Amino acid sequence: DTAVSQTPKYLVTQMGNDKSIKCEQNLGHDTMYWYKQDSKKFLKIMFSYNNKELIINETVPNRFSPKSPDKAHLNLHINSLELGDSAVYFCASSAQRGQPQHFGDGTRLSIL
Amino acid sequence: GQSLEQPSEVTAVEGAIVQINCTYQTSGFYGLSWYQQHDGGAPTFLSYNALDGLEETGRFSSFLSRSDSYGYLLLQELQMKDSASYFCAVRAPGAGGTSYGKLTFGQGTILTVHP
Repeated sequence: DTAVSQTPKYLVTQMGNDKSIKCEQNLGHDTMYWYKQDSKKFLKIMFSYNNKELIINETVPNRFSPKSPDKAHLNLHINSLELGDSAVYFCASSAQRGQPQHFGDGTRLSIL
Repeated sequence: GQSLEQPSEVTAVEGAIVQINCTYQTSGFYGLSWYQQHDGGAPTFLSYNALDGLEETGRFSSFLSRSDSYGYLLLQELQMKDSASYFCAVRAPGAGGTSYGKLTFGQGTILTVHP
Protein backbone atom coordinates (compact mmCIF):
# COMPACT_ATOMS: atom_id res chain seq x y z
CA ASP A 1 0.00 0.00 0.00
CA THR A 2 1.29 3.42 -0.96
CA ALA A 3 2.06 5.52 2.11
CA VAL A 4 2.04 8.99 0.52
CA SER A 5 0.33 9.20 -2.84
CA GLN A 6 0.14 12.18 -5.16
CA THR A 7 -1.90 12.67 -8.28
CA PRO A 8 -1.28 13.30 -11.05
CA LYS A 9 2.25 11.97 -11.57
CA TYR A 10 2.71 14.12 -14.67
CA LEU A 11 1.06 17.41 -15.49
CA VAL A 12 1.66 19.20 -18.77
CA THR A 13 -0.26 22.40 -19.29
CA GLN A 14 -0.08 25.86 -20.78
CA MET A 15 0.86 29.16 -19.23
CA GLY A 16 -2.02 30.92 -17.56
CA ASN A 17 -3.95 27.78 -16.69
CA ASP A 18 -5.02 26.77 -13.17
CA LYS A 19 -4.19 23.30 -11.91
CA SER A 20 -4.39 21.24 -8.72
CA ILE A 21 -2.25 18.48 -7.28
CA LYS A 22 -3.70 16.13 -4.70
CA CYS A 23 -1.90 14.34 -1.88
CA GLU A 24 -3.08 11.70 0.54
CA GLN A 25 -1.23 9.81 3.26
CA ASN A 26 -2.39 6.64 5.00
CA LEU A 27 0.29 6.66 7.70
CA GLY A 28 -1.82 8.40 10.32
CA HIS A 29 0.60 11.32 10.40
CA ASP A 30 -0.39 14.73 11.74
CA THR A 31 1.94 16.85 9.63
CA MET A 32 2.05 17.23 5.86
CA TYR A 33 4.28 19.28 3.56
CA TRP A 34 4.67 20.54 0.02
CA TYR A 35 8.15 20.87 -1.48
CA LYS A 36 9.32 22.16 -4.84
CA GLN A 37 12.36 20.60 -6.52
CA ASP A 38 13.79 22.61 -9.38
CA SER A 39 15.84 21.47 -12.37
CA LYS A 40 19.03 21.68 -10.30
CA LYS A 41 17.45 19.31 -7.76
CA PHE A 42 17.22 21.99 -5.09
CA LEU A 43 14.46 20.89 -2.72
CA LYS A 44 12.64 23.71 -0.95
CA ILE A 45 9.78 23.70 1.53
CA MET A 46 6.69 25.59 0.43
CA PHE A 47 4.00 24.84 3.01
CA SER A 48 3.33 22.65 5.99
CA TYR A 49 0.12 21.77 7.81
CA ASN A 50 -0.27 20.16 11.20
CA ASN A 51 -3.70 18.72 11.82
CA LYS A 52 -5.24 20.96 9.15
CA GLU A 53 -3.54 24.08 10.56
CA LEU A 54 -1.05 25.98 8.41
CA ILE A 55 2.27 26.09 10.31
CA ILE A 56 4.83 26.85 7.62
CA ASN A 57 4.24 29.27 4.78
CA GLU A 58 7.43 30.13 2.96
CA THR A 59 7.89 32.98 0.54
CA VAL A 60 5.71 31.52 -2.17
CA PRO A 61 3.67 33.52 -4.70
CA ASN A 62 0.06 33.76 -3.60
CA ARG A 63 -0.88 32.00 -6.84
CA PHE A 64 -0.10 28.87 -4.81
CA SER A 65 -2.80 27.94 -2.32
CA PRO A 66 -2.68 24.81 -0.17
CA LYS A 67 -5.80 23.25 1.28
CA SER A 68 -6.06 20.57 3.92
CA PRO A 69 -9.61 19.20 4.25
CA ASP A 70 -8.43 16.72 6.89
CA LYS A 71 -5.11 15.64 8.32
CA ALA A 72 -4.71 12.86 5.74
CA HIS A 73 -5.00 15.17 2.74
CA LEU A 74 -3.08 18.20 1.56
CA ASN A 75 -3.84 19.59 -1.88
CA LEU A 76 -2.04 22.30 -3.80
CA HIS A 77 -3.82 24.63 -6.20
CA ILE A 78 -1.84 26.82 -8.56
CA ASN A 79 -3.42 29.74 -10.40
CA SER A 80 -2.16 31.44 -13.55
CA LEU A 81 0.70 29.03 -14.13
CA GLU A 82 4.02 30.52 -15.26
CA LEU A 83 7.03 29.00 -17.00
CA GLY A 84 9.02 29.20 -13.77
CA ASP A 85 6.55 26.91 -12.05
CA SER A 86 7.92 23.97 -14.03
CA ALA A 87 9.40 21.64 -11.41
CA VAL A 88 8.74 18.48 -9.48
CA TYR A 89 6.38 18.99 -6.55
CA PHE A 90 6.69 16.58 -3.66
CA CYS A 91 4.20 15.99 -0.91
CA ALA A 92 5.51 14.57 2.38
CA SER A 93 4.23 13.68 5.82
CA SER A 94 5.67 13.04 9.26
CA ALA A 95 4.39 11.78 12.57
CA GLN A 96 6.21 14.15 14.90
CA ARG A 97 7.27 17.71 14.27
CA GLY A 98 9.85 16.91 11.63
CA GLN A 99 11.28 13.44 11.51
CA PRO A 100 11.34 11.36 9.53
CA GLN A 101 9.49 12.72 6.55
CA HIS A 102 7.93 10.31 4.06
CA PHE A 103 7.75 11.62 0.52
CA GLY A 104 5.34 10.88 -2.28
CA ASP A 105 6.63 10.03 -5.76
CA GLY A 106 6.31 13.60 -6.97
CA THR A 107 4.28 15.43 -9.59
CA ARG A 108 6.25 16.54 -12.63
CA LEU A 109 4.76 19.83 -13.76
CA SER A 110 5.72 21.14 -17.19
CA ILE A 111 4.48 24.49 -18.44
CA LEU A 112 4.38 24.98 -22.20
CA GLY B 1 18.02 31.84 7.68
CA GLN B 2 19.76 28.58 7.04
CA SER B 3 22.49 27.62 4.58
CA LEU B 4 24.12 24.27 3.99
CA GLU B 5 27.18 23.22 2.01
CA GLN B 6 27.95 19.78 0.67
CA PRO B 7 30.10 18.61 -2.24
CA SER B 8 28.30 18.55 -5.56
CA GLU B 9 29.70 15.22 -6.72
CA VAL B 10 31.56 12.22 -5.32
CA THR B 11 32.79 9.18 -7.22
CA ALA B 12 33.85 5.83 -5.77
CA VAL B 13 34.16 2.15 -6.68
CA GLU B 14 32.14 -0.78 -5.49
CA GLY B 15 33.17 -2.04 -2.08
CA ALA B 16 34.80 1.24 -1.11
CA ILE B 17 33.91 3.66 1.69
CA VAL B 18 32.81 7.20 0.98
CA GLN B 19 32.14 10.15 3.27
CA ILE B 20 29.85 13.03 2.30
CA ASN B 21 30.37 16.13 4.40
CA CYS B 22 27.86 18.80 5.28
CA THR B 23 28.45 22.12 6.98
CA TYR B 24 25.61 24.37 7.98
CA GLN B 25 24.76 27.81 9.30
CA THR B 26 21.44 28.18 11.05
CA SER B 27 19.56 30.36 13.45
CA GLY B 28 18.43 27.69 15.87
CA PHE B 29 19.07 23.98 15.40
CA TYR B 30 17.16 20.82 16.22
CA GLY B 31 19.04 18.26 14.18
CA LEU B 32 20.63 17.12 10.93
CA SER B 33 19.00 14.64 8.56
CA TRP B 34 20.18 12.74 5.51
CA TYR B 35 18.01 11.74 2.58
CA GLN B 36 18.73 9.62 -0.49
CA GLN B 37 17.12 10.27 -3.85
CA HIS B 38 17.53 8.10 -6.94
CA ASP B 39 16.99 9.69 -10.34
CA GLY B 40 13.29 10.14 -10.96
CA GLY B 41 12.45 8.95 -7.46
CA ALA B 42 11.32 10.35 -4.15
CA PRO B 43 13.67 11.41 -1.37
CA THR B 44 13.89 8.69 1.25
CA PHE B 45 14.96 9.17 4.84
CA LEU B 46 18.31 7.70 5.88
CA SER B 47 19.19 9.12 9.29
CA TYR B 48 18.72 11.90 11.84
CA ASN B 49 21.21 13.21 14.38
CA ALA B 50 19.99 15.52 17.13
CA LEU B 51 22.97 14.96 19.43
CA ASP B 52 26.70 14.87 18.81
CA GLY B 53 28.17 11.56 17.81
CA LEU B 54 27.81 8.70 15.39
CA GLU B 55 24.58 6.91 14.47
CA GLU B 56 24.95 3.62 12.64
CA THR B 57 22.30 1.93 10.51
CA GLY B 58 23.65 -1.02 8.58
CA ARG B 59 26.13 0.12 5.93
CA PHE B 60 25.29 3.78 6.54
CA SER B 61 26.45 5.93 9.45
CA SER B 62 25.87 9.58 10.18
CA PHE B 63 27.88 11.88 12.40
CA LEU B 64 27.13 15.25 13.97
CA SER B 65 29.25 17.85 15.71
CA ARG B 66 27.00 20.68 16.86
CA SER B 67 29.92 22.81 18.05
CA ASP B 68 31.47 22.65 14.56
CA SER B 69 28.13 22.92 12.71
CA TYR B 70 29.26 19.88 10.77
CA GLY B 71 28.06 16.44 9.93
CA TYR B 72 28.79 13.65 7.53
CA LEU B 73 27.23 10.58 6.01
CA LEU B 74 29.48 7.53 5.76
CA LEU B 75 28.61 4.82 3.28
CA GLN B 76 30.49 1.55 3.58
CA GLU B 77 30.77 -1.45 1.27
CA LEU B 78 29.45 0.62 -1.60
CA GLN B 79 27.12 -1.04 -4.07
CA MET B 80 26.03 0.07 -7.51
CA LYS B 81 22.54 0.71 -6.16
CA ASP B 82 23.99 3.38 -3.85
CA SER B 83 24.45 5.65 -6.89
CA ALA B 84 22.04 8.47 -6.09
CA SER B 85 21.85 12.01 -4.77
CA TYR B 86 22.34 12.50 -1.06
CA PHE B 87 20.92 15.51 0.74
CA CYS B 88 21.73 16.81 4.17
CA ALA B 89 18.93 18.78 5.74
CA VAL B 90 18.85 20.92 8.85
CA ARG B 91 15.79 20.87 11.08
CA ALA B 92 15.51 24.26 12.71
CA PRO B 93 12.77 26.46 14.19
CA GLY B 94 10.29 27.83 11.71
CA ALA B 95 9.27 31.44 11.37
CA GLY B 96 8.55 33.10 14.67
CA GLY B 97 10.60 30.44 16.44
CA THR B 98 7.77 27.93 16.40
CA SER B 99 8.58 24.50 17.67
CA TYR B 100 7.29 22.95 14.51
CA GLY B 101 10.76 22.91 12.92
CA LYS B 102 11.18 22.95 9.21
CA LEU B 103 13.69 21.15 7.02
CA THR B 104 16.11 23.14 4.91
CA PHE B 105 17.91 20.97 2.36
CA GLY B 106 21.42 21.27 0.98
CA GLN B 107 21.99 21.25 -2.75
CA GLY B 108 22.68 17.53 -2.77
CA THR B 109 25.72 15.38 -3.55
CA ILE B 110 25.60 13.12 -6.58
CA LEU B 111 27.31 9.84 -5.71
CA THR B 112 28.41 7.68 -8.60
CA VAL B 113 29.57 4.16 -7.82
CA HIS B 114 31.67 2.45 -10.49
CA PRO B 115 32.24 -1.31 -10.84
